[in-house]
Amino acid sequence: EVQLVDSGGGLVQPGGSLRLSCAASGFTFSSYNMNWVRQAPGKGLEWVSYISSGGTTIYYADSVKGRFTISRDNAKNSLFLQVNSLRDEDTAVYYCARVDPRGDGGYVWDYWGQGTLVTVSS
Amino acid sequence: DIQMTQSPSTLSASVGDRVTITCRASQSISSWLAWYQQKPGKAPKLLIYKASSLESGVPSRFSGSGSGTEFTLTISSLQPDDFATYYCQQYNSFPWTFGQGTKVEIK
Repeated sequence: EVQLVDSGGGLVQPGGSLRLSCAASGFTFSSYNMNWVRQAPGKGLEWVSYISSGGTTIYYADSVKGRFTISRDNAKNSLFLQVNSLRDEDTAVYYCARVDPRGDGGYVWDYWGQGTLVTVSS
Repeated sequence: DIQMTQSPSTLSASVGDRVTITCRASQSISSWLAWYQQKPGKAPKLLIYKASSLESGVPSRFSGSGSGTEFTLTISSLQPDDFATYYCQQYNSFPWTFGQGTKVEIK
């Protein structure tokens, strides 16, 4: 069974840092591209960052570029998001999501973690 | 960036109703559109991909259509488990973007 378990969230002051983790199981993690997506309280979904299966291709949303760093450890089946210089507007539930190649269906986000809440407040 | 606009923002319906949600893209995304269902406190769940392909395990009362810039999600006969928020998402190009969501409420 495919499982993604998000962790590492918490309460942090503005300007602070956290390291979010996503533990993967039930599939060959090293073969899949991955994303981080966030959702502010009561708001919609916002894509945050993407990393290819081998870690060589990385993208960020403009809203987090220069402050967040995505990485992965394929030997440990884990995805990470280092979040620095946090702002009030970064308060959100952060989800990891697997990207599954579907041939002519494109690259589909089929499994998501349960999310981890980051609260930025003084 | 490609903007995704859903309508309506909120929809009140009864069990058994046929429900349609619309999603418009600010430029053509071919058929690279997905639909997700999200319930409070839970992660989004993939329902439809490539505009009209039903994800495995998703009930057949859900269907999607459209291409280019206009897309629809239809629930043929609304069930109690379907009261949730629905999001469209384009995966044609970075940055991948979502619609603002449509909340389906009990009438």
